[in-house]
Amino acid sequence: AQSVTQLGSHVSVSEGALVLLRCNYSSSVPPYLFWYVQYPNQGLQLLLKYTTGATLVKGINGFEAEFKKSETSFHLTKPSAHMSDAAEYFCAVRGNNNDMRFGAGTRLTVKP
Amino acid sequence: DSGVTQTPKHLITATGQRVTLRCSPRSGDLSVYWYQQSLDQGLQFLIQYYNGEERAKGNILERFSAQQFPDLHSELNLSSLELGDSALYFCASSSRLAGGPETQYFGPGTRLLVL
Repeated sequence: AQSVTQLGSHVSVSEGALVLLRCNYSSSVPPYLFWYVQYPNQGLQLLLKYTTGATLVKGINGFEAEFKKSETSFHLTKPSAHMSDAAEYFCAVRGNNNDMRFGAGTRLTVKP
Repeated sequence: DSGVTQTPKHLITATGQRVTLRCSPRSGDLSVYWYQQSLDQGLQFLIQYYNGEERAKGNILERFSAQQFPDLHSELNLSSLELGDSALYFCASSSRLAGGPETQYFGPGTRLLVL
């Protein structure tokens, strides 16, 4: 069965610093992987997704993620954090039921 | 704005009661998914409908049911409510039946508080 594990429930960075949010997946078939962001009191917004092909995926708001099959990872990065990036981030993998299977989430705090 | 709408935004009710949450998918989307987000369980898939028919079930309790109407809006019915049902309920939609790389677009959610 497909699943994802997010490493670190809380990540704190300074404004302008690199953002790295970690996600590892488990899947018996080639996975479809997603990163969503949830701002306070809002729904989930898609940041980016990996389907097939290029392993480096660029998303919205300057985020990108790299699919590494050998490491079963799909970490999310942003070169320079902005205060507006503070939110909860969810990694997800497509499940057998066509559902999205989410990780536990990582709360990103950006310090001025 | 994802194009998915959910009503009501907030709902406060008592244990033992029944509530109905409503979702309108994006224009043209035939698939509707329901998810529950709670502090202890995280984000969990409940159920999927496609063009009016139930297509997949996740961790949905027997006290919960859903349906999708001919105009494609969907309702999630929660009955005999318990304190533990307090959560944020999301609806998502996509255009196809089968997922694959297809994006699911999420609504803003309905926050349910059971007292």
